Amino acid sequence: AQSVTQLGSHVSVSEGALVLLRCNYSSSVPPYLFWYVQYPNQGLQLLLKYTTGATLVKGINGFEAEFKKSETSFHLTKPSAHMSDAAEYFCAVSHPPNSGYALNFGKGTSLLVTP
Amino acid sequence: EAGVVQSPRYKIIEKKQPVAFWCNPISGHNTLYWYLQNLGQGPELLIRYENEEAVDDSQLPKDRFSAERLKGVDSTLKIQPAELGDSAVYLCASSEIGGGAGNEQFFGPGTRLTVL
Repeated sequence: AQSVTQLGSHVSVSEGALVLLRCNYSSSVPPYLFWYVQYPNQGLQLLLKYTTGATLVKGINGFEAEFKKSETSFHLTKPSAHMSDAAEYFCAVSHPPNSGYALNFGKGTSLLVTP
Repeated sequence: EAGVVQSPRYKIIEKKQPVAFWCNPISGHNTLYWYLQNLGQGPELLIRYENEEAVDDSQLPKDRFSAERLKGVDSTLKIQPAELGDSAVYLCASSEIGGGAGNEQFFGPGTRLTVL
């Protein structure tokens, strides 16, 4: 069985400050890992993903995440927050091909960016 | 390129009434997913189709929920009868079979269901 834990249901940062959203997973086999963003009343949009290879993954809008197997973590970071980054962020895991690539999501972290 | 299309965007019904949601995936995407997203939660898979075959419906409450994807393209999710606890956002997503490199799933905007 696989699960995803996102630490902190709400995170608040000042504009220009570092963004750090935490994600830990439990898995008995190598996972594929994803971060999705959801803006109000919109569907989810992929920010970045880790499948194999380089453990530091860069995504859209200046976000990046590092897969750390020893810590079973895949934390999302951005050096400088923008007001437009305010949204809900979801970490997800899949285990292809056994699961058919179905995603198992965390509960999400709401990011608030203050002026 | 058009994204995943869902309709309606919003639906308000009274309990015990039936309701249906429609999804049209991205052209060429053989895999289609229906997810349920409760308020303040991450999406949870209800059913996954490979072409017209439902290959994973283990989380679909079959006493009241049904889904179909007759021609392997668009899909309909139905609830009959609806209960108060069904109020949620229903998301549709699609991907290529096998997902290509890392199986990116493309999500529609969702249908927000309110059951009164």
